[in-house]
Amino acid sequence: DVKVTQSSRYLVKRTGEKVFLECVQDMDHENMFWYRQDPGLGLRLIYFSYDVKMKEKGDIPEGYSVSREKKERFSLILESASTNQTSMYLCASSFHSLNQPQHFGDGTRLSIL
Amino acid sequence: AQSVTQPDIHITVSEGASLELRCNYSYGATPYLFWYVQSPGQGLQLLLKYFSGDTLVQGIKGFEAEFKRSQSSFNLRKPSVHWSDAAEYFCAVDQAGTALIFGKGTTLSVSS
Repeated sequence: DVKVTQSSRYLVKRTGEKVFLECVQDMDHENMFWYRQDPGLGLRLIYFSYDVKMKEKGDIPEGYSVSREKKERFSLILESASTNQTSMYLCASSFHSLNQPQHFGDGTRLSIL
Repeated sequence: AQSVTQPDIHITVSEGASLELRCNYSYGATPYLFWYVQSPGQGLQLLLKYFSGDTLVQGIKGFEAEFKRSQSSFNLRKPSVHWSDAAEYFCAVDQAGTALIFGKGTTLSVSS
C-alpha cells in the first residue's frame, strides 16, 4: 500500500514564526501536492511538484513556499505564520501520468495563535 | 475553467436506505473523475475512479458511480448505507494528469 506520511498530526505555532510541514511518500511518485482544507471551501491547492527541485503554484500560494530536495519528500513552509493560515493541511502524491489517483496523508491540523 | 460542483452540503440518510451523492463537472476534454471519502480527522481515501469505458464504475465499500456525459454528472451511489459510511465525500476531476480540482464536499450523516 502507498504510504504518505505527514510529520505532525497537530501543530500549534505563534504569529510570525516560520513553520515547516513535512511530507514523505514511499512509492517513488513523481508528483507531490500540498492542499489546505477549510470548512465550506473544500480542498484548495497551494503548490505542487513534478520532480525534484521543481515546483508549480496552485490556487492559493500566497504566504507559502515549498521545497523538494529529494523525490520522496515535499516540505511546505509558512514564511511568517499568520492566524488566517490556521487550517488542515493535506499532502498527496501520485505518478506523473494521466489517470493516476492521488494518495493522501492523514493531514496536519495547524493552529496559529 | 474546470470546476466541480457538489450541490448538497449535508445529507442525512437512514441506515439501510439507499444513497446518492451528486457531482457535476465542467471540463472541456474527456474528464478523469474520482470520488474520495474522508472520515473525521483522517486524510482522503480513494473510493473509485472513472477514466474511460464502462460508465458504471464499481469502487470499494460497496460504492458505485455512474458517468453521464450528457448531464456532465458523476453521481455516487450505494444501495444500503451503514452507520460507518458517515463521513465527508469529495468529487474531483483531473487536470490533465496534474492537480485535482475538488468539489466542496458533501457531509453524510446516517441516522438509526
